[in-house]
Amino acid sequence: GAGVSQSPSNKVTEKGKDVELRCDPISGHTALYWYRQRLGQGLEFLIYFQGNSAPDKSGLPSDRFSAERTGESVSTLTIQRTQQEDSAVYLCASSFAGLATQYFGPGTRLTVL
Amino acid sequence: AQTVTQSQPEMSVQEAETVTLSCTYDTSESDYYLFWYKQPPSRQMILVIRQEAYKQQNATENRFSVNFQKAAKSFSLKISDSQLGDAAMYFCAYRSVTNFGNEKLTFGTGTRLTIIP
Repeated sequence: GAGVSQSPSNKVTEKGKDVELRCDPISGHTALYWYRQRLGQGLEFLIYFQGNSAPDKSGLPSDRFSAERTGESVSTLTIQRTQQEDSAVYLCASSFAGLATQYFGPGTRLTVL
Repeated sequence: AQTVTQSQPEMSVQEAETVTLSCTYDTSESDYYLFWYKQPPSRQMILVIRQEAYKQQNATENRFSVNFQKAAKSFSLKISDSQLGDAAMYFCAYRSVTNFGNEKLTFGTGTRLTIIP
């Protein structure tokens, strides 16, 4: 596709519910990244995929967070038993392997009530 | 671990004037990448400019240029002839070259740029 796409654009959920956020990277990009941006703050790294494997999961804040990638394409970030502190914008980025520049999607704004 | 510091939470500039946004970073690595990204209210992170640490020449993209001082670990962004469309949050980011499999970007906290008509 023309760029990285993410869905949904906005998600409102109740505390304790599970949510799934989706990322479609640029076609041919083998590297995929998830970041979290809390209100008024910079981006925090969550997880990095090279192909379908995740060599760096160091940023996942708790075991309620998980992510997978299939077909070296779409990735899903799942947050179980959501908490109000999970409210943030979740951004996905992709790049060609070994190349530094990451291209970002528009993000999903998650609000946990 | 690398850190990135943006000490100016907010900046403003008159339209058509020049403004410089500051960024410093801390690293023990000798080779790395530095970036400036722009985030307008639409939330989309847009790459503004990129600098490879091994290059002595400062990167330039049209009205955007950087002043890369490797010894001082400083990476400032200069915007010339500021336009209303430049209004956004600007983030400085660092990426390691040497750690394969650890290619995350480390971001600063951002500078909100306002353009005064």
